[in-house]
Amino acid sequence: DVKVTQSSRYLVKRTGEKVFLECVQDMDHENMFWYRQDPGLGLRLIYFSYDVKMKEKGDIPEGYSVSREKKERFSLILESASTNQTSMYLCASTETSGGLYNEQFFGPGTRLTVL
Amino acid sequence: DQQVKQNSPSLSVQEGRISILNCDYTNSMFDYFLWYKKYPAEGPTFLISISSIKDKNEDGRFTVFLNKSAKHLSLHIVPSQPGDSAVYFCAASHGSNYKLTFGKGTLLTVNP
Repeated sequence: DVKVTQSSRYLVKRTGEKVFLECVQDMDHENMFWYRQDPGLGLRLIYFSYDVKMKEKGDIPEGYSVSREKKERFSLILESASTNQTSMYLCASTETSGGLYNEQFFGPGTRLTVL
Repeated sequence: DQQVKQNSPSLSVQEGRISILNCDYTNSMFDYFLWYKKYPAEGPTFLISISSIKDKNEDGRFTVFLNKSAKHLSLHIVPSQPGDSAVYFCAASHGSNYKLTFGKGTLLTVNP
């Protein structure tokens, strides 16, 4: 059974703190993604990675950075948390099939509140 | 520019009836479409998909229809059950690009 896990389900941080969100997948997938979900805005892509030590910006990368030192682990970093980064953060992964099928598998999400 | 649009934020249906969720897209390069279901406080789970070479794909109570000329797809759930109550996201991709573009979601409520 495929599995994507995220380090925390709920997190409360203070404005200005550095925040690390961790994601681990056990499917040997090459591709990993970080999204945030906000009411009325759907899922928006923050960053993604096609391979170890490789990253690309998504649609809303401002205020975030990422790290992928190992294939199974993809970290999202909020350098200096702000209240507008309060959101549900979702990690996903998918394999490189070489074909058209791009089903992504999601983790359970981290609900981050920045006070 | 919103490339995948779900124009109905919410939908309410009676148990046993058909639920129809709609999705429109603007990017003609999209060739693969997916529907995800999301319960509160959980990650989205894959429901059903369709490639652009087909116009229909069925999996149990779930059927997705694709109308390429209208750039429109729909998800039919028959019969609807209270456990189907969730937010449904439409997503699209093209070629070997592993990125998915998501719609804003539709909250489906199935009333007993």
